[in-house]
Amino acid sequence: NAGVTQTPKFRILKIGQSMTLQCAQDMNHNYMYWYRQDPGMGLKLIYYSVGAGITDKGEVPNGYNVSRSTTEDFPLRLELAAPSQTSVYFCASGQGQNYGYTFGSGTRLTVV
Amino acid sequence: QQQVKQSPQSLIVQKGGISIINCAYENTAFDYFPWYQQFPGKGPALLIAIRPDVSEKKEGRFTISFNKSAKQFSLHIMDSQPGDSATYFCAASSQAGTALIFGKGTTLSVSS
Repeated sequence: NAGVTQTPKFRILKIGQSMTLQCAQDMNHNYMYWYRQDPGMGLKLIYYSVGAGITDKGEVPNGYNVSRSTTEDFPLRLELAAPSQTSVYFCASGQGQNYGYTFGSGTRLTVV
Repeated sequence: QQQVKQSPQSLIVQKGGISIINCAYENTAFDYFPWYQQFPGKGPALLIAIRPDVSEKKEGRFTISFNKSAKQFSLHIMDSQPGDSATYFCAASSQAGTALIFGKGTTLSVSS
């Protein structure tokens, strides 16, 4: 099993550009999450989904959008990239609330 | 009330020693407390987790101690090894909540 696959691994964006961070899981998990990790700040929840067609905002959703058309995929869209979005982004999936998550290996994004 | 406070921020332990990382929370609805281990360039990986019906859980050299009345839980790494050098995150969630809330992390270095 591949688990949670994130692409790309690295990306440099210019201010104002847009991009989509891809996330796919092959564990048939209903719950999927996007977190960002900044040095010394832990992981902050951007968006989450409890199943196909259902998404909701987390702690830091501004500047991002998500969609969940299938159980497997949960892409994160950045519109009008800003330097404050420079971070490492992690996608995770889980079988339910109050269960452990499987994380992807992350996407390191730099906005210049 | 949604925060999870983790300490210390960094920790240096001699090989063979005991590493102790502490976390505290305020939300009494939290009922799932996992610890994650993260190596540089990788995503966090579930290490061990506890639910509040027990005060301690041990898996190999890793033990979670849980104090419900004090709203604190801690990770103990016995016989610490250089391979344990990583960043450790505590987290918490509730059945009615949205997703795991993470502490800010502790960087552990085990010197040989």
